Amino acid sequence: DGGITQSPKYLFRKEGQNVTLSCEQNLNHDAMYWYRQDPGQGLRLIYYSQIVNDFQKGDIAEGYSVSREKKESFPLTVTSAQKNPTAFYLCASRSIAGGKNIQYFGAGTRLSVL
Amino acid sequence: GQSLEQPSEVTAVEGAIVQINCTYQTSGFYGLSWYQQHDGGAPTFLSYNALDGLEETGRFSSFLSRSDSYGYLLLQELQMKDSASYFCAVREDGSGNTGKLIFGQGTTLQVKP
Repeated sequence: DGGITQSPKYLFRKEGQNVTLSCEQNLNHDAMYWYRQDPGQGLRLIYYSQIVNDFQKGDIAEGYSVSREKKESFPLTVTSAQKNPTAFYLCASRSIAGGKNIQYFGAGTRLSVL
Repeated sequence: GQSLEQPSEVTAVEGAIVQINCTYQTSGFYGLSWYQQHDGGAPTFLSYNALDGLEETGRFSSFLSRSDSYGYLLLQELQMKDSASYFCAVREDGSGNTGKLIFGQGTTLQVKP
């Protein structure tokens, strides 16, 4: 089955530690996105990538980094510079089939600080 | 600034019809989408309007008025499983084609028996 796979489902970060969230897709989509969702809030864009080896900052990129070495993979690193990392992180990829701009989401990673 | 406004909560009974409104103020507009998210789950796409008018998909319909910067999601024959959060989202870039979406804060729909 095609889809977006995020891992791990739950992640705990210690003070001063960098952690990496995995996102893999087998939908053959070019564009991929990372969002942060805080309780009771909408989704805010962290980074996005339209093609391999290219990515752009979103609205809240500070304290995060990404890479896009393969079409299928778009990992997100939450660095120690991100002082408030506790949130639900969602990865998505985009389809433009039929002229519609549809994003498909993974099940998310819930990050907490120890 | 850019903003999308939608009600924070809506309550309705099973079998009823409910409308969730969304007004937007963005630098560009290339379409309004609606997503459903069950508690702790992944958002899933419901509908998309690029032009004015009504789009119908089963029990769900979505409407757009670009002149009013307004849209709504209409849910008919409500079922308990429709209890979820609903987000409107605007695609604001055209020529750049990044596909970036700006999301509203979400409307929590509670369906009661």
